[in-house]
Amino acid sequence: RKEVEQDPGPFNVPEGATVAFNCTYSNSASQSFFWYRQDCRKEPKLLMSVYSSGNEDGRFTAQLNRASQYISLLIRDSKLSDSATYLCVVNAHGGQNFVFGPGTRLSVLP
Amino acid sequence: NAGVMQNPRHLVRRRGQEARLRCSPMKGHSHVYWYRQLPEEGLKFMVYLQKENIIDESGMPKERFSAEFPKEGPSILRIQQVVRGDSAAYFCASSHNPGSIGNQPQHFGDGTRLSIL
Repeated sequence: RKEVEQDPGPFNVPEGATVAFNCTYSNSASQSFFWYRQDCRKEPKLLMSVYSSGNEDGRFTAQLNRASQYISLLIRDSKLSDSATYLCVVNAHGGQNFVFGPGTRLSVLP
Repeated sequence: NAGVMQNPRHLVRRRGQEARLRCSPMKGHSHVYWYRQLPEEGLKFMVYLQKENIIDESGMPKERFSAEFPKEGPSILRIQQVVRGDSAAYFCASSHNPGSIGNQPQHFGDGTRLSIL
């Protein structure tokens, strides 16, 4: 089993749609969680950290379920500019590195 | 620019030559990570370094690849005797101590696109 797994995608949604991505992780010692986005041929950029109580940033909401070891990202009112690959990232405090999921590609269509 | 700086942005080498990729971490960051990404594929972890120490090199090929992060100067990813299969985007990221309290994310540089002729 991979350390971090994500919805395989791709997701093709119309503008204005709500879309949700799921991510599961295998290391129960994981402490830090993030969502990144990566545009084609660009570097990954931090979208948001994920906190235990869940957090929201504008149209984006992140949730963490430690018992089930999964993280979610909800995007409301999708924009064309949201088209990208979304990467789930997990780190165990004191861990050797940040573990990236394979990514889920989103295409928002006009 | 206080972000992660990588250079060169693009590097072309012929088979058998050496490639040196440089990364200066974000100000205040002491942890550096290198990743490789092939077209249409995900990020692959290569190596994690702190100043003067390699912490985890489990993702590095055993031969031809080496990395360092000296006390002074940028981190260097070195590829000797390059082959066509080394063509990829190489991203560097930096962070504060990931073991410290609170979420400490990585921040990425723009990457170096390596092309082998």
